[in-house]
Amino acid sequence: DSGVTQTPKHLITATGQRVTLRCSPRSGDLSVYWYQQSLDQGLQFLIQYYNGEERAKGNILERFSAQQFPDLHSELNLSSLELGDSALYFCASSVVDSHYGYTFGSGTRLTVV
Amino acid sequence: DAKTTQPNSMESNEEEPVHLPCNHSTISGTDYIHWYRQLPSQGPEYVIHGLTSNVNNRMASLAIAEDRKSSTLILHRATLRDAAVYYCILRSTGTSGTYKYIFGTGTRLKVLA
Repeated sequence: DSGVTQTPKHLITATGQRVTLRCSPRSGDLSVYWYQQSLDQGLQFLIQYYNGEERAKGNILERFSAQQFPDLHSELNLSSLELGDSALYFCASSVVDSHYGYTFGSGTRLTVV
Repeated sequence: DAKTTQPNSMESNEEEPVHLPCNHSTISGTDYIHWYRQLPSQGPEYVIHGLTSNVNNRMASLAIAEDRKSSTLILHRATLRDAAVYYCILRSTGTSGTYKYIFGTGTRLKVLA
């Protein structure tokens, strides 16, 4: 157990639907990062939050959004889902807004049918 | 944006050193070089990072070229548990104080018994 909790572990949904992925960072970590990993795209950085504020954006689609709440947990919202959104979605956290030792969760596998 | 280039795959014999190369010819002066690895069916795991000087930790060593256009992750004695995909990552500074994270393609390391 890495200390980063992601729920659900698996999610199957239909095209056009909306889902929410949840991430609880490791205790004490202020930064949360979201990544997408699909078979043909490798590991893609989506977005970072630090203490409730957006800090960095990567290859995140406009249909996707995220937020970090006062208790520091984060949610990634995916809407108007397409078949190509099927992927593993990882959350990572770190102590401060730096690059020391990101800790990744075990991921949420999203399947869009 | 600075990008990294890694070989798609490498093989090593168990108990022998492994040198995993990464090219980042367009790296800027403020970019940090990070390495992560992803074991099968797990989230990525932090390995090491550096800016200019060579770095050592309990997992590996990072050798950074003098011109910083390339780096090498060194596993001193590969074990079967080191079989994973190794990612070379640049932490770039974007506009407005945000940070961008650019993953390389990753090198799949196979360790032979």
